[in-house]
Amino acid sequence: EPEVTQTPSHQVTQMGQEVILRCVPISNHLYFYWYRQILGQKVEFLVSFYNNEISEKSEIFDDQFSVERPDGSNFTLKIRSTKLEDSAMYFCASMGGRTSREQYFGPGTRLTVT
Amino acid sequence: GNSVTQMEGPVTLSEEAFLTINCTYTATGYPSLFWYVQYPGEGLQLLLKATKADDKGSNKGFEATYRKETTSFHLEKGSVQVSDSAVYFCALSATQGGSEKLVFGKGMKLTVNP
Repeated sequence: EPEVTQTPSHQVTQMGQEVILRCVPISNHLYFYWYRQILGQKVEFLVSFYNNEISEKSEIFDDQFSVERPDGSNFTLKIRSTKLEDSAMYFCASMGGRTSREQYFGPGTRLTVT
Repeated sequence: GNSVTQMEGPVTLSEEAFLTINCTYTATGYPSLFWYVQYPGEGLQLLLKATKADDKGSNKGFEATYRKETTSFHLEKGSVQVSDSAVYFCALSATQGGSEKLVFGKGMKLTVNP
C-alpha cells in the first residue's frame, strides 16, 4: 500500500541553524501539506502546496519557512533560522484530489531545537 | 473561522466497554469530517470520514455520523480493545482558499486496560 515517508525521523539542531525536513508523498497525489504538533498540543496547519506553488499558509508560516518540490517526488520544508519554539513534530501529508478530501500522513519528523 | 471542539480526556476504559468521543464543529460551507488516530510513537492515520450530512463513516468497529443539525460528528465503538489505546483527533476540511486544509481538535487520549 502506498504511503507517505519522511526523513529524518528525529533531527536535533542548535538555535539559529537551518534545517530541511524531507517528505516523499504518495506518487500520484497532487496536493501536499505540512502540519506541526507541539508536544501535548493540537495538530496545526502550516502550509499547502499545489501545482508547484503555495495555495495557503498559516500565520505560523512566516519568512523563516519555505517549501519546495524540487524534483517531482520530494517535498521539503526548510526552516532558515530555527528557534526554540520550532521544536515540534512535523507531519507531511498528501492528497490525491479535492474530490476525496482524504489526506494521508507521514510518520513525522521530531525536531528538537537546543 | 472553522474550528473543532472535542472531548480532551484522558479517558481510561476497561476492555469491552462502550466508547463515545464527542466532537462538534463550526464551519462555513459544507465541510468534510474526519477522525484520525495516532498510536503511540506513530503518525496520524485516517480512521473514518463523512463528506455530507447524515453520512456515516465506519472502520474497525468505529462509527461516526455527520449531524448537520447539531454540528456534531461523535465517534463511537461498542466494545473497545487494548489495541484501541491511542490519541483520537476529530478534524474537518473545507474549501477555503482552495487548499482543503485540515483543522483539528485537541485530541483525546484513550487508554484501554485488559
